[in-house]
Amino acid sequence: EAQVTQNPRYLITVTGKKLTVTCSQNMNHEYMSWYRQDPGLGLRQIYYSMNVEVTDKGDVPEGYKVSRKEKRNFPLILESPSPNQTSLYFCASSLIHHRGQETQYFGPGTRLLVL
Amino acid sequence: AQSVSQHNHHVILSEAASLELGCNYSYGGTVNLFWYVQYPGQHLQLLLKYFSGDPLVKGIKGFEAEFIKSKFSFNLRKPSVQWSDTAEYFCAVNAVSGATNKLIFGTGTLLAVQP
Repeated sequence: EAQVTQNPRYLITVTGKKLTVTCSQNMNHEYMSWYRQDPGLGLRQIYYSMNVEVTDKGDVPEGYKVSRKEKRNFPLILESPSPNQTSLYFCASSLIHHRGQETQYFGPGTRLLVL
Repeated sequence: AQSVSQHNHHVILSEAASLELGCNYSYGGTVNLFWYVQYPGQHLQLLLKYFSGDPLVKGIKGFEAEFIKSKFSFNLRKPSVQWSDTAEYFCAVNAVSGATNKLIFGTGTLLAVQP
């Protein structure tokens, strides 16, 4: 089954404790992306990757890191989480159309609470 | 900077009423346009998309959207809503420029359909 998986689905942590949220897709998509969803603000792109070893900042990259060592995986790293990073996080992947992006496939989301 | 505006934050309709959700974007270059839907407790999924060609595009579940280039708009419509259309709707614009390939979301419109 074609899907995007994220782990963990729920996470409670404390300020400053490094954490990683994993994202994996089985559709051989070139493009992968991380978003955070906050009430009233919609989805905001954190980082995206056009292919292996190619990453770029989205609109809200501060406090986050990513890596793309393999095509299927795109982990999101919070080196020193802070309470303002409490949010719902979505990973997504898509093919790249010759004119831009194709349809994005979203993971189930990771709800993060930073105390 | 590119941006996407959804003017209606909350919409309440009765079943069988017609729906139109506004979406405007600010970007002068080539764009690909999407509407995504998020049902309660679920992740985002594609409703419809526009890349080129006929500016009136039809999606799943009876939804359609019209791209009006001169107005920078991509409004979503449905002639007769059902209770099961209760969800949050997001307009998204893929702005392609040189090496950048971002997907920018609007803040979302929460639709509640009363039976």
